[in-house]
Amino acid sequence: AQSVTQLGSHVSVSEGALVLLRCNYSSSVPPYLFWYVQYPNQGLQLLLKYTSAATLVKGINGFEAEFKKSETSFHLTKPSAHMSDAAEYFCAVTSRSGNTPLVFGKGTRLSVIA
Amino acid sequence: EADIYQTPRYLVIGTGKKITLECSQTMGHDKMYWYQQDPGMELHLIHYSYGVNSTEKGDLSSESTVSRIRTEHFPLTLESARPSHTSQYLCASSGGTNSPLHFGNGTRLTVT
Repeated sequence: AQSVTQLGSHVSVSEGALVLLRCNYSSSVPPYLFWYVQYPNQGLQLLLKYTSAATLVKGINGFEAEFKKSETSFHLTKPSAHMSDAAEYFCAVTSRSGNTPLVFGKGTRLSVIA
Repeated sequence: EADIYQTPRYLVIGTGKKITLECSQTMGHDKMYWYQQDPGMELHLIHYSYGVNSTEKGDLSSESTVSRIRTEHFPLTLESARPSHTSQYLCASSGGTNSPLHFGNGTRLTVT
């Protein structure tokens, strides 16, 4: 069974500082991986996805993530945090067959301090 | 910008009532999903469908039911609402094999 673990339920950074949100996956075969963002009282919005092309994936709003097979990780980063980045972030995994629903991590709440 | 629509946005009802949460998408996606999410918490898959007349239960046991009579429509029904059903319900859809999920804005249900 596939799963993802997000380390840290809450991350707080200063405005302008580096954002690092951690995600480790468990899968017997190379998976597809996603990062989603959720703003208050809204659904989830796709930030970026890894589908076995380049291991460094660039997404919206300046975010990027790097797939590291040796570390089974897919950490999300942004060089400089902005107040508008404050939200809940979810890592998710699915199989390449497309026959299994997306499995989400428990989420990490990002706070940005002025 | 959402091409997936959920109604109502907010709902407060009494215990024992029957309710249907609506979800429609205009993208022609075969795959549709219902997730339950308590505020600030993880998402739990409760139902999904990979096409018309095909529905499956998800990981979280739920007293709700779903139907998929048309591609674009995936309603969720609670026959008898209870306070334990108070939560946010998110509908999503996706297209091809590695296509991401598109989410609606959710229905926040409160059962009194």
